[in-house]
Amino acid sequence: EIVLTQSPGTLSLSPGERATLSCKASQSVSDSSLAWYQQKPGQTPRLLIYGASSRTAGIPDRFSGSGSGTDFTLTISRLEPEDFAVYYCQQYGSSLSLTFGGGTTVEIK
Amino acid sequence: QLQLQESGPGLVKPSETLSLTCSVSGDSFNNLYYWAWIRQSPGKGLEWIGSVSYSATTYYSPSLKSRVTFSVDKSKKQFSLKLTSLTAADTAVYWCARTLGPHYWTDAFHIWGQGTVVTVSS
Repeated sequence: EIVLTQSPGTLSLSPGERATLSCKASQSVSDSSLAWYQQKPGQTPRLLIYGASSRTAGIPDRFSGSGSGTDFTLTISRLEPEDFAVYYCQQYGSSLSLTFGGGTTVEIK
Repeated sequence: QLQLQESGPGLVKPSETLSLTCSVSGDSFNNLYYWAWIRQSPGKGLEWIGSVSYSATTYYSPSLKSRVTFSVDKSKKQFSLKLTSLTAADTAVYWCARTLGPHYWTDAFHIWGQGTVVTVSS
């Protein structure tokens, strides 16, 4: 099973700042099969990024994903008030199991 | 527009079996996509339980494989989960979801239900 480790656990930033979230895999994720989700309290996760760098329809371009192999990054270029939430990465490159990272909380500083 | 809706008991006793159903509406429930169950324990992260195709091909999480069974009812446009031998650790929000793209169970999840809270307690 591929283990995903997200860091930092919590990111304290102000609106307008840049957020950089990391997701490291215990082994290489094939075909950059890595997704990012946003989850707000009491809500369903929302798919932001798939294929490591492709934005889902309707997702603002301030969200961008990058990386390959074992190291992936989600960047929010300028934080808007609605972006403060928990972010999860998920790998779907393994034919044995799909796994999620433990999450990064982006909180208002 | 595709919508998913979970249904099932909110409270189940330890050692019993949980049965949840996901009803699909508004779009095609067909053999193109895979349908999944995902859960989140209180204050914890997301956990993939497994995925099932329209033709009932199943893929389960290795950690839950011994206790979980999926089924599909095409006529009702529903797919279901059964989880046996429940413990308090199975207390969670349970979601059903659909893959982003067709053909592959190994995919991201684009469409989600609203989730249903399941508490395991005597």
